[in-house]
Amino acid sequence: DTAVSQTPKYLVTQMGNDKSIKCEQNLGHDTMYWYKQDSKKFLKIMFSYNNKELIINETVPNRFSPKSPDKAHLNLHINSLELGDSAVYFCASSQEQGFYGYTFGSGTRLTVV
Amino acid sequence: AQKVTQAQTEISVVEKEDVTLDCVYETRDTTYYLFWYKQPPSGELVFLIRRNSFDEQNEISGRYSWNFQKSTSSFNFTITASQVVDSAVYFCALSDPSGTYKYIFGTGTRLKVLA
Repeated sequence: DTAVSQTPKYLVTQMGNDKSIKCEQNLGHDTMYWYKQDSKKFLKIMFSYNNKELIINETVPNRFSPKSPDKAHLNLHINSLELGDSAVYFCASSQEQGFYGYTFGSGTRLTVV
Repeated sequence: AQKVTQAQTEISVVEKEDVTLDCVYETRDTTYYLFWYKQPPSGELVFLIRRNSFDEQNEISGRYSWNFQKSTSSFNFTITASQVVDSAVYFCALSDPSGTYKYIFGTGTRLKVLA
């Protein structure tokens, strides 16, 4: 069983569309995250939820909206996609404020054309 | 400000050579955690090690070893007798001291191990 699973793995879409990426973890962790990795491999946090409560909301366009229906799921919805949104999006989970390390999902490669 | 610097953008070595990946960090906090992650060509991010700021013992795991020195704010990673499967991008990360759960990642070092 995959510990942190993201779907889809690849997403190709046109500018202006709305899309969602789903993430689920079966580790019993209490915190989940979305990170964005750009074309230069730079990893930057976008959002984090702890027990369904939003605790990190970095400077991200409000076209990006996370939703956590329960502590095992964290979805990312993106409205009005732009070319610059093309990146790999990683979901991760952790226990104890991440001090023991994150477990990452395999990533979703989003390509906006 | 908190910062992680991995000055080596790319390193190429021949198989069986030893290689050290450098990581220098800046933080205002006295309690913090440092991490290394591996990103192989397949793209996933794999946890390698965690170290807290009070534990300066070096760690060895098989061919991997880590040297943590608070005096120089460095947490370097050495691969002994490198193998082609070690080819990956390696990231060093620092826990944010404000307790917000987030990590500050370095820009990564791409390691190429040639057969």
